[in-house]
Amino acid sequence: DQQVKQNSPSLSVQEGRISILNCDYTNSMFDYFLWYKKYPAEGPTFLISISSIKDKNEDGRFTVFLNKSAKHLSLHIVPSQPGDSAVYFCAASLGTSGTYKYIFGTGTRLKVLA
Amino acid sequence: EADIYQTPRYLVIGTGKKITLECSQTMGHDKMYWYQQDPGMELHLIHYSYGVNSTEKGDLSSESTVSRIRTEHFPLTLESARPSHTSQYLCASSRSGTGELFFGEGSRLTVL
Repeated sequence: DQQVKQNSPSLSVQEGRISILNCDYTNSMFDYFLWYKKYPAEGPTFLISISSIKDKNEDGRFTVFLNKSAKHLSLHIVPSQPGDSAVYFCAASLGTSGTYKYIFGTGTRLKVLA
Repeated sequence: EADIYQTPRYLVIGTGKKITLECSQTMGHDKMYWYQQDPGMELHLIHYSYGVNSTEKGDLSSESTVSRIRTEHFPLTLESARPSHTSQYLCASSRSGTGELFFGEGSRLTVL
């Protein structure tokens, strides 16, 4: 039973345009959501996060939107750059429930075309 | 800059060998985690720890074991490696269990 889902395994975007990566979750107890970027043979790098009490968080080119009623979050990257090409994982945590577990989605491979 | 380190980065060993993957963090985090990732797949939680002498199995069954004798150290051991253990193993830590999760560079294990 996958609690965090990324239904698009890959996405191609032209340089300078917006990249939108989506993530759905099933557990309404998740209280914190994170996005990570990963290159092969390296550890994931933290990008941006959002608490469940907010619906938007912005950091430079990266914005995360949270829609709790739809159990959906998205990561917007604008403008997209070739260096953004990587696999992006969304993750959700159950910190306040006491389990302190982070559950990851399957990832979306983003390719930014020059 | 995250201060969490994993060794070895790459390891190729034969079937039946015992291996230990090391993970250390210098941030004083209580929560530590081990994830396993196969190429193109999600990160599966295999072990986690809330603090010293606390370890729990994750959502993915694993034949590996872990220990947490010191706050900063969370090694993972395979008593008898098999080809099915070939994967990337990622160690991570968090201060609160609900904030940012910091990852190490990963250990790529290949069992022949």
